[in-house]
Amino acid sequence: TQLLEQSPQFLSIQEGENLTVYCNSSSVFSSLQWYRQEPGEGPVLLVTVVTGGEVKKLKRLTFQFGDARKDSSLHITAAQPGDTGLYLCAGGISGTYKYIFGTGTRLKVLA
Amino acid sequence: NAGVTQTPKFQVLKTGQSMTLQCAQDMNHNSMYWYRQDPGMGLRLIYYSASEGTTDKGEVPNGYNVSRLNKREFSLRLESAAPSQTSVYFCASSEVGWGGWSNYGYTFGSGTRLTVV
Repeated sequence: TQLLEQSPQFLSIQEGENLTVYCNSSSVFSSLQWYRQEPGEGPVLLVTVVTGGEVKKLKRLTFQFGDARKDSSLHITAAQPGDTGLYLCAGGISGTYKYIFGTGTRLKVLA
Repeated sequence: NAGVTQTPKFQVLKTGQSMTLQCAQDMNHNSMYWYRQDPGMGLRLIYYSASEGTTDKGEVPNGYNVSRLNKREFSLRLESAAPSQTSVYFCASSEVGWGGWSNYGYTFGSGTRLTVV
């Protein structure tokens, strides 16, 4: 079974704190995406990483793709209440037609 | 605004009733998808259409049918609704990578919250 496991499942932090969310699999991915989903809305694409070891920055968010393309992390610096939401990683498994979503990390940033 | 539009936003059905969920995208994407999202189960693919004129089953196709009406529109039909189909349904679209999914991620609609009683 091909899984994308995210940790932690839930995270509640104070405004201004830093945090890291992890996305792990035993499968190799051709590319990996991170999405944020707010209540009552669909997931919104944040970033795509393609190359092993790649690092991308989006304002206070830093995304890294593992060297072996099996894992990824999302680091948020100085979290703000607007960062609250469900964060999902997802990716296409290399050599297959399968695109799978992670289990999700629900983040709440308190003012 | 460009994007994926889903209708309706909310729906309550009685067991055995049928309904069609509508989806349209205006980004000229080739591929379209239907997902369901359930607590603890994440997003699961129901059906997808890699290009106009083709449709294929995803992970959980039982109880559903789809129609790719044209390049813009992809509908999902529940022929005889069951309580197990209570869920939030998302339509998504993407530029084609290969095998029906994109290397560049999906654009999602805002979802249809369906309750079957």
